[in-house]
Amino acid sequence: QKEVEQDPGPLSVPEGAIVSLNCTYSNSAFQYFMWYRQYSRKGPELLMYTYSSGNKEDGRFTAQVDKSSKYISLFIRDSQPSDSATYLCAMSARNYGGSQGNLIFGKGTKLSVKP
Amino acid sequence: DAGITQSPRHKVTETGTPVTLRCHQTENHRYMYWYRQDPGHGLRLIHYSYGVKDTDKGEVSDGYSVSRSKTEDFLLTLESATSSQTSVYFCAISGGVVTDTQYFGPGTRLTVL
Repeated sequence: QKEVEQDPGPLSVPEGAIVSLNCTYSNSAFQYFMWYRQYSRKGPELLMYTYSSGNKEDGRFTAQVDKSSKYISLFIRDSQPSDSATYLCAMSARNYGGSQGNLIFGKGTKLSVKP
Repeated sequence: DAGITQSPRHKVTETGTPVTLRCHQTENHRYMYWYRQDPGHGLRLIHYSYGVKDTDKGEVSDGYSVSRSKTEDFLLTLESATSSQTSVYFCAISGGVVTDTQYFGPGTRLTVL
């Protein structure tokens, strides 16, 4: 079993739809959870960062962490064509460097928002 | 790209030749990382550095070496490139207020023929 599982998609939605992206993980030591957005032929850019369980909202984006289920989600409201990208989840066991601070990434979900 | 540059941005080389990729940061962050990204595998850590001259291996370090002689520069060397090392290579940095927040460079697309 991979440490982090993420459905690769592709996921295609109409403009204005609510998008739900998810990752599951197996390592109960993970405490720090991130979502990155990667446009084609670009580097990943940090979108959301959360610590432990709970929700975090930033504009149209909401990140949820359920540590009891080892499940994290990213919701995008009122999706736009400019949201078309690959979304990567990432997580780590601690917030400073060293091997346990290294990020483990999901393989990414490719999202396409159609006008 | 958070003050991170990578050079070269594209490179085509032949099997058996040495290749060095450079990552340069202007953020004075402590940690630097090299990843490769391949279809079906996602981002995988090659090597990382936690300070000048302090480096450690990641998940896929075989065939790669790194060096960090200055805070701002992290070099990735393929001593003898193979076709399996054809990939997109990303450098990342962290070490700001939230140390696990990694910021990525624009990437280097390497093709080994």
